[in-house]
Amino acid sequence: NAGVTQTPKFQVLKTGQSMTLQCAQDMNHEYMSWYRQDPGMGLRLIHYSVGAGITDQGEVPNGYNVSRSTTEDFPLRLLSAAPSQTSVYFCASSYGQGFGEAFFGQGTRLTVV
Amino acid sequence: RKEVEQDPGPFNVPEGATVAFNCTYSNSASQSFFWYRQDCRKEPKLLMSVYSSGNEDGRFTAQLNRASQYISLLIRDSKLSDSATYLCVVNQAGTASKLTFGTGTRLQVTL
Repeated sequence: NAGVTQTPKFQVLKTGQSMTLQCAQDMNHEYMSWYRQDPGMGLRLIHYSVGAGITDQGEVPNGYNVSRSTTEDFPLRLLSAAPSQTSVYFCASSYGQGFGEAFFGQGTRLTVV
Repeated sequence: RKEVEQDPGPFNVPEGATVAFNCTYSNSASQSFFWYRQDCRKEPKLLMSVYSSGNEDGRFTAQLNRASQYISLLIRDSKLSDSATYLCVVNQAGTASKLTFGTGTRLQVTL
């Protein structure tokens, strides 16, 4: 079982560059989310989706875009990278109304220089 | 005030010890509660859900006190492999997939 697959695992960007973090799940989950994890801050929700074609903002959405064209994929786009976006990014998916177990990808360690 | 608060630790305990973590949450409308485990440089994984009546899974016992808005996790007979960060997680009513995470409590079990 692949579960939730995130790519890339590591990335270094220069300030101002754009990139897309990929996330795919093969569990037919309706709910997908993106979080960032910073020391002392815990995981914070960036964007989430309750199904294909539906997305919404989380706690820290600025500087990020998402789309959900299929149930399986939920890419996160950094529009113009800034050093403040240096973080570990996790994609997660969950079944049903999202009140059950969330399955996380392995994370993407992003450094913006 | 943070929505979910945890003592960051670290808790350093010898193998075989019993250790307890507490977590408080601020939103009384919170509906679902979980403990996740996160190993160093890895993704969080569900350890157990927390039910109102309390629940046990082997050496792990979780309790919920809605009146005081806190959640606890008790680990008995600690193993070296229990060393990890334990995340308290809350899902608020009507906010599907919007989990709110505590910053985590780090546990180090030693010989």
